Amino acid sequence: DGGITQSPKYLFRKEGQNVTLSCEQNLNHDAMYWYRQDPGQGLRLIYYSQIVNDFQKGDIAEGYSVSREKKESFPLTVTSAQKNPTAFYLCASSIGATSWAGGDTQYFGPGTRLTVL
Amino acid sequence: KNQVEQSPQSLIILEGKNCTLQCNYTVSPFSNLRWYKQDTGRGPVSLTIMTFSENTKSNGRYTATLDADTKQSSLHITASQLSDSASYICVVTRYQKVTFGIGTKLQVIP
Repeated sequence: DGGITQSPKYLFRKEGQNVTLSCEQNLNHDAMYWYRQDPGQGLRLIYYSQIVNDFQKGDIAEGYSVSREKKESFPLTVTSAQKNPTAFYLCASSIGATSWAGGDTQYFGPGTRLTVL
Repeated sequence: KNQVEQSPQSLIILEGKNCTLQCNYTVSPFSNLRWYKQDTGRGPVSLTIMTFSENTKSNGRYTATLDADTKQSSLHITASQLSDSASYICVVTRYQKVTFGIGTKLQVIP
């Protein structure tokens, strides 16, 4: 069963705690992405990675950190510095980062809904 | 002001009816325009992708059209089904910059 998995589906954390969201893909894609989705707003890019051990900030990277130690995995840490972390987080992958502009598809995971209490 | 605006914000239609969703964009020039379907609480799934030179693209009962002169795209859904209830998101890519619309929430009722 190929695709992108995210875990957990729902996550609750106390204010001030760091939390890590998991994203795994078995599509053999080079590029992976993290987005945040809030009501009334379009998806916003947090971080993306074009290749293992490399990643770039997106439009709203402040308060977040990522790592890309394996091709299959791109975990996102929401730190206590993120002022408004409650949101729906989506991970995606594509064959290559440049392929997104070239016409290849981004495949999205099922998402993790993070609620900070 | 969002560079990708979708209308209507929400729509309710009867099962079996057709509907058309609109996307107006200011991103120009662009590499491609995509429509995604997102079920509640799930990740988006790609429906269509069009380059600036294409006018129409179909995927089953979904047909997307593009008018590059007026910077408008439409997604037409034919013979709607209950499973079409979802949000539909327009996405415009310019080089490596991707801009997502807020989406249109469609509800199909029996």
